[in-house]
Amino acid sequence: KAGVTQTPRYLIKTRGQQVTLSCSPISGHRSVSWYQQTPGQGLQFLFEYFSETQRNKGNFPGRFSGRQFSNSRSEMNVSTLELGDSALYLCASSIGQALTSYEQYFGPGTRLTVT
Amino acid sequence: AQSVSQHNHHVILSEAASLELGCNYSYGGTVNLFWYVQYPGQHLQLLLKYFSGDPLVKGIKGFEAEFIKSKFSFNLRKPSVQWSDTAEYFCAVNYEVKIKAAGNKLTFGGGTRVLVKP
Repeated sequence: KAGVTQTPRYLIKTRGQQVTLSCSPISGHRSVSWYQQTPGQGLQFLFEYFSETQRNKGNFPGRFSGRQFSNSRSEMNVSTLELGDSALYLCASSIGQALTSYEQYFGPGTRLTVT
Repeated sequence: AQSVSQHNHHVILSEAASLELGCNYSYGGTVNLFWYVQYPGQHLQLLLKYFSGDPLVKGIKGFEAEFIKSKFSFNLRKPSVQWSDTAEYFCAVNYEVKIKAAGNKLTFGGGTRVLVKP
């Protein structure tokens, strides 16, 4: 099976712009989670989508949003970019049944640099 | 607040030495526990997981971890490391096991960078 794929792998944006990142989960996985990884804050949970619905949300401002499509692919959007948004954004997929959690498999990430 | 603590930020050891990385979490209820590894230039990979049952779990590449519920700990061990074990190791906890309708929300520790000298 192909792993989790994320596009683009690298992105450079200017402060104030917005950005959309994409994630394709492992085939058959219905849960997609997003994480932000920075040297200072480590790995932090952004949100999780399951069956096109946001199931969990982390402590990030409303500028960070996401969605999931019927084929389980997910996108996350960051509006009004700030310098502090520079990070590696990781997507993870899981089988994710309704009442049980499963292990998550991570993609390679999108490296976002905000200048 | 729910948190995960990894005691060591950096560990340096020689090949064939034994490795033990500490991990403590803050919640007293039902949790799922994981160890992930990030090799240089690669993405996070799952080493092992604990959901229930035998508290001693075995993972890939000779790693194992022991869940001690009374100590809220999930320490990672490897009896004899190799140079190829040089990586950053992350402990992660899913606290959302029986809250709401479950979910996948990992809280990560700060990571431990392990350098194995040949």
